[in-house]
Amino acid sequence: AQSVTQLDSQVPVFEEAPVELRCNYSSSVSVYLFWYVQYPNQGLQLLLKYLSGSTLVKGINGFEAEFNKSQTSFHLRKPSVHISDTAEYFCAVSQTSGSRLTFGEGTQLTVNP
Amino acid sequence: GAVVSQHPSRVICKSGTSVKIECRSLDFQATTMFWYRQFPKQSLMLMATSNEGSKATYEQGVEKDKFLINHASLTLSTLTVTSAHPEDSSFYICSATKGPMNTEAFFGQGTRLTVV
Repeated sequence: AQSVTQLDSQVPVFEEAPVELRCNYSSSVSVYLFWYVQYPNQGLQLLLKYLSGSTLVKGINGFEAEFNKSQTSFHLRKPSVHISDTAEYFCAVSQTSGSRLTFGEGTQLTVNP
Repeated sequence: GAVVSQHPSRVICKSGTSVKIECRSLDFQATTMFWYRQFPKQSLMLMATSNEGSKATYEQGVEKDKFLINHASLTLSTLTVTSAHPEDSSFYICSATKGPMNTEAFFGQGTRLTVV
């Protein structure tokens, strides 16, 4: 079994400030890790994913995440946020490619002017 | 690209009626599709995994007779909520993968179901 914990349910920040959204996971086997973004009343869009190789993963919209195996974490970061980054962000894991995703509880990022 | 289209985006139905939600992969063949349910301010909960040409695999606690899933072709899966009740009101989202070795799931836009 695997699980995902997003430590912050809400993160308010000011525009152009840096942000980090935290994600920890537990699994008895190797996993693939994902971050998705969801805008109101819409589906999910993939921001980035870690499958193997370099632990620093760069995604769309200026986001990046770092896989830390010893701490079982996959925190999402952006050096300077925009108002348009306001959305719900979900961390997710899967055991193998194409398999079911297990999602965290989500983090609502609110960027204020 | 890889586009997944869900229809309808919003539906309101009366208690006791059935509602069908379609999930289509527009530019790829989806061997596997997933159906999720999302309550307000909560995460996505997997309801079932649908493979083309075979019966869907339901998660524990999901009533298969209430949530009928059909995956008749490589581009279409449908979720039918039968005898809907107000507690079935939710946001339903589908996703699709291109094949067993594919690492990315592509999501539909979601369907907001309201049962009155």
